[in-house]
Amino acid sequence: NAGVTQTPKFRILKIGQSMTLQCTQDMNHNYMYWYRQDPGMGLKLIYYSVGAGITDKGEVPNGYNVSRSTTEDFPLRLELAAPSQTSVYFCASSARAETQYFGPGTRLLVL
Amino acid sequence: AQSVTQLDSQVPVFEEAPVELRCNYSSSVSVYLFWYVQYPNQGLQLLLKYLSGSTLVKGINGFEAEFNKSQTSFHLRKPSVHISDTAEYFCAVTIGDSSYKLIFGSGTRLLVRP
Repeated sequence: NAGVTQTPKFRILKIGQSMTLQCTQDMNHNYMYWYRQDPGMGLKLIYYSVGAGITDKGEVPNGYNVSRSTTEDFPLRLELAAPSQTSVYFCASSARAETQYFGPGTRLLVL
Repeated sequence: AQSVTQLDSQVPVFEEAPVELRCNYSSSVSVYLFWYVQYPNQGLQLLLKYLSGSTLVKGINGFEAEFNKSQTSFHLRKPSVHISDTAEYFCAVTIGDSSYKLIFGSGTRLLVRP
């Protein structure tokens, strides 16, 4: 059972470039989340989804977009990368108000 | 609006000593409370959670936490720590009436020394 998988593990982007962070879960969870973790800070919720076709903004959605076409996948899109988006990104999934299962993270550096 | 405060950014402790990591929250509604652990270069893993019922919650790896509604606290404790407990610990609470969206504290690094 793989749980939550994220790709890539690490990426360097130039300012203005775009990329998609991939997230897949195999636990048939309806709820999925994207967080960013900055040094010395807790996790901040970027976007979340309560099921296929339904997404909503979290605390820090600016500069990001998401889609949820299937239960398993929840990609995060950065359209115009900025240095402020340098961070570690975590995807998570859960079955309602229970444990959130986290992926291993994607480390992004924008130069 | 909800908020979570972890006052201690780092807690050094010797192996086999007890430890308490503090977490305070503010909320005008009932909350669910969680403690997560993050080992180096890994994602977060649930240690324990409080949803309802007994205010003393036991989790994995010998950790426990007590929900204190009057003090709005959810401190994490372990009676005897091991080197392997060295990690970052995050307290989290649910947001508003949502039972699934979380706000995280800034984290406490537990450093266990031999």
